Amino acid sequence: AQSVTQLGSHVSVSEGALVLLRCNYSSSVPPYLFWYVQYPNQGLQLLLKYTSAATLVKGINGFEAEFKKSETSFHLTKPSAHMSDAAEYFCAVSVNSGYSTLTFGKGTMLLVSP
Amino acid sequence: EAGVTQFPSHSVIEKGQTVTLRCDPISGHDNLYWYRRVMGKEIKFLLHFVKESKQDESGMPNNRFLAERTGGTYSTLKVQPAELEDSGVYFCASGGLVAGGTYEQYFGPGTRLTVT
Repeated sequence: AQSVTQLGSHVSVSEGALVLLRCNYSSSVPPYLFWYVQYPNQGLQLLLKYTSAATLVKGINGFEAEFKKSETSFHLTKPSAHMSDAAEYFCAVSVNSGYSTLTFGKGTMLLVSP
Repeated sequence: EAGVTQFPSHSVIEKGQTVTLRCDPISGHDNLYWYRRVMGKEIKFLLHFVKESKQDESGMPNNRFLAERTGGTYSTLKVQPAELEDSGVYFCASGGLVAGGTYEQYFGPGTRLTVT
């Protein structure tokens, strides 16, 4: 069985500040991990994914995440927040590279203030 | 290229009524998924089609939910009769290969269902 825990349902940052969204996972098999973003009135968009290659994964819009097996974590970071980053972010785990079901966390709403 | 589309975007029905949600996947995608997010909770998997066949329907909550994908193109999800706990956002995703040979699920904007 797999599960995902996202710490913090809401995270607030100032524009230009570091963004850190936390994700911890549980998996009985080597995991594939994903971060999705949902902007208002849009579908979920894939930001990045870990598929057992490099542990530091770079995604779109300047986001990156690091897979840490010892900590069972896959935290999402961005050095400098933009107003346009305000959205809801979801961490997800799968047993393969995305073909089978995704197990999601509860989501974290990122609020960016000027 | 058109993305995944869902209809309607919102639906408000009374308990006991029937509602049918529709999903049009990206053209050429054989794999189609339904997920649901109940307010305040995580997005949960409902089922997975490969073409017109149900590959995995382990997430379907009960027999009030019926999903179909006739002809392997668009899919419908019918809830009959609807209950209050069925309220939430229903997402559809279609899956296919992207550049580099990896696989990705593309999500639609969701249908927000409110049962009163």
